[in-house]
Amino acid sequence: QKEVEQNSGPLSVPEGAIASLNCTYSDRGSQSFFWYRQYSGKSPELIMSIYSNGDKEDGRFTAQLNKASQYVSLLIRDSQPSDSATYLCAVNLPTNAGKSTFGDGTTLTVKP
Amino acid sequence: GAVVSQHPSRVICKSGTSVKIECRSLDFQATTMFWYRQFPKKSLMLMATSNEGSKATYEQGVEKDKFLINHASLTLSTLTVTSAHPEDSSFYICSARDPRRLNGGVAKNIQYFGAGTRLSVL
Repeated sequence: QKEVEQNSGPLSVPEGAIASLNCTYSDRGSQSFFWYRQYSGKSPELIMSIYSNGDKEDGRFTAQLNKASQYVSLLIRDSQPSDSATYLCAVNLPTNAGKSTFGDGTTLTVKP
Repeated sequence: GAVVSQHPSRVICKSGTSVKIECRSLDFQATTMFWYRQFPKKSLMLMATSNEGSKATYEQGVEKDKFLINHASLTLSTLTVTSAHPEDSSFYICSARDPRRLNGGVAKNIQYFGAGTRLSVL
């Protein structure tokens, strides 16, 4: 089992729909969780960080954390074609001393 | 968000040349930086963890004599690809870990990425 797992996709949604991206992690003691967006040929860009259970909203993005179930998700409302990218989930596992462990990413395509 | 500057953005060089890539943390002092490489349509692959004032920690399978890392200050880490060959052609990305804490004392531990360096070895 990988330490951080994401569905590889590709995930395709129509413009205006809600895109839901999921991530599970192995270490129950993890404290910090991040979502990055990576456009093709570019480096990852941080879009959300979340540290406590519940929802955190930032514009069209909502991160949801459930530590008991060991998953973190990202919802993108009113998806736009410009949201088409690979989304990386990152978790700071206690065993890795503050270093983020990245999932392999989920590729999202938003169709006009 | 915090800014990490990486340059050059693109390098084209002849086989056997050494190439140096710089990564600078502009907003905070980064005791820890990371170097990744990424092949087209593949996942990020961590190469090494760069620690200010001490030796880098390399991931399994990464040749430390091939990929020299220096982290001489709290804002600068460099990666030198020595005697580059065509198989070293890749997208190299650095990141810096933000050591600052949120209100309440929780460490942010966010990694901010540089823009990446695309290396092409002819």
